[in-house]
Amino acid sequence: ETGVTQSPTHLIKTRGQQVTLRCSSQSGHNTVSWYQQALGQGPQFIFQYYREEENGRGNFPPRFSGLQFPNYSSELNVNALELDDSALYLCASSLGSLLAVGELFFGEGSRLTVL
Amino acid sequence: AQKVTQAQTEISVVEKEDVTLDCVYETRDTTYYLFWYKQPPSGELVFLIRRNSFDEQNEISGRYSWNFQKSTSSFNFTITASQVVDSAVYFCALSYNYGQNFVFGPGTRLSVLP
Repeated sequence: ETGVTQSPTHLIKTRGQQVTLRCSSQSGHNTVSWYQQALGQGPQFIFQYYREEENGRGNFPPRFSGLQFPNYSSELNVNALELDDSALYLCASSLGSLLAVGELFFGEGSRLTVL
Repeated sequence: AQKVTQAQTEISVVEKEDVTLDCVYETRDTTYYLFWYKQPPSGELVFLIRRNSFDEQNEISGRYSWNFQKSTSSFNFTITASQVVDSAVYFCALSYNYGQNFVFGPGTRLSVLP
């Protein structure tokens, strides 16, 4: 076990709705990153938070947004859900700095289905 | 553009065979990190190794070994004497822009048959 927990594990939404996914990072880790993994594909980097600030973002539209809290837990929010948003959403925590990348420890993911 | 290529989509081997998973990356950065992750059927990504761009030493950890060659932009992973429990999808990943961006390869599905 990595110590990274995500909730909920499964959820079903309809197109146009909004969803919030949560992640508790491993104790002592200050960096959280989020990934979208469609079936049969590799994870796609959404964004990363370092000490409560977004410090990296992949090629995802603004309706994907996030937060990192003082205890370094994090949320991923997706507005105006589309069918293509159906995927496994993975959270990873690490102990990093502005110039160095730590080992990423992943949670088990939240599987989102959009109908 | 930053990119990770894993040309082998699926590999099947018989238990105790050696197997090498290929990873080729592209980046303009001179400082970057490379990773390998294992994703068993349970779905959780398991960290295997991290290597920074200035450390080209090969590494061995038990039955696992990694060959990093900057000249060919490759970071290949070999499993010696494979076991059924090695069956999983393996991902190679690149972190660039001082750790602010990540890109994963498409993965290689390894099946180890008894």
